[in-house]
Order: sequence, then C-alpha cells, then structure tokens
Amino acid sequence: EIVLTQSPGTQSLSPGERATLSCGASQSVTHNYLAWYQHKPGQAPRLLIYGASTRATGIPDRFSGSGSGTDFTLTISRLEPEDFAVYYCQQYGNSPLTFGGGTKVEI
Amino acid sequence: EVKLVESGGGLLQPGGSLRLSCAASGFTFSTYWMNWVRQAPGKGLVWVSRIKTDGMITTYADSVKGRFTISRDNAKNTVYLEMNGLRAEDTAVYYCARETPLPGNYFDLWGQGTLVTVSS
Repeated sequence: EIVLTQSPGTQSLSPGERATLSCGASQSVTHNYLAWYQHKPGQAPRLLIYGASTRATGIPDRFSGSGSGTDFTLTISRLEPEDFAVYYCQQYGNSPLTFGGGTKVEI
Repeated sequence: EVKLVESGGGLLQPGGSLRLSCAASGFTFSTYWMNWVRQAPGKGLVWVSRIKTDGMITTYADSVKGRFTISRDNAKNTVYLEMNGLRAEDTAVYYCARETPLPGNYFDLWGQGTLVTVSS
C-alpha cells in the first residue's frame, strides 16, 4: 500500500501568514488522485482539494493544492482564524486508499 | 440539510460486538457508495470499509476483514458497521463518509463520528 508522509507534524503560524503543508508518497499516486481534508476537534472532516489541485465546492481560494507523482503540497495563502486545524492528505489512486498522518496548523 | 449522523458507539470489552449506524439525510442516499473511516486516539485517519450503492459489493481493510461487516438499508437511508471480535486496537472514533460520484473514491461528506472504546 502507498504510505503518505506529511510534514511538518505541527506548524505554528499567525493569522495572515502563509502555510505550506507537504505530503510525500512512497510511490507514485496514480492519476495524481490525491485529496486534502481539514479536520477540527469534534467536527466532521471537510474536503478541501481533490485531484491534487481542484478545490471542492465552497472552498475559499486561499486554499490551493499542487504537485504530482510522489510530492504534493497544500498552501493556505493567508491564514484566517478558522483555518487552525489538522490537515490530512489521502490518496485514492491505488488500493487500498490511504491517509497521511496529518499536519496540525496551530497559532 | 445534507448530513450524516453516526450512532451506536460505546464501551466494550475485548471480544465484544457492536453495530454502528449512520443515518443520511438531504441527498439521494441510494446513489452513493458509502464508507467507514476510523481514527484511533492521537492517530490519523484509516479507511475501514466500503459498500456499493446497492450493497452488492463490499471491501474491507485487512485489519478488520472477517470481523467487521458493512451493510446498508436504502429504504432507511442508513449504512451500518457490524463489529465482532473487538480488540483494544479497534478503539477509535468511527466516521461514515460519502464517496464522491466523480471518478475516484474520495469523500465529499463526513459525519461527526461515534466513539468506540474497547477495554477490559
């Protein structure tokens, strides 16, 4: 199975700053089928990005995804207070689908 | 409102059984593949199981194969996860998740989860 490694484990930033989250795959992700989710404690995870770079419906354009093959990035251009959360990448190009360990973006 | 609501979690002893439910509303449930994903305390998300729209195809993670059974009742807009032979390592928040109708199985709607604790 494809192992996804997210870095850093925790990123400490302030509102208005830029966040850059990385997701590395142990082998190439077929069709760049990679998604990003935001997860806040006690809440349902929320889909942000699919297909490595396509924003899901209703997601603000400060969130952007990029990358291909084995290296992917989620960028939050200017952090809003509501963006402080844990972010997970997920690959769905190879079975079984797998998630990364998460990156916590904290104040 | 489009939503998924899980229920049925609780505290079990090792070897016990439990059935989780996930009630869907606000969308045509019968047209979506559904999944269960879990998160152990302090850990990341792990996919558990998947079921086709009509219930005729099911798949499982190796860690639960033979112990867990996914099913659905489209008349009740509900997907279930029957868990048998529970182990301490099954302790987790269990989320149900709707699979996108677009190519590729990623998840465009999640519930808030239900906690299952397996402990003696």
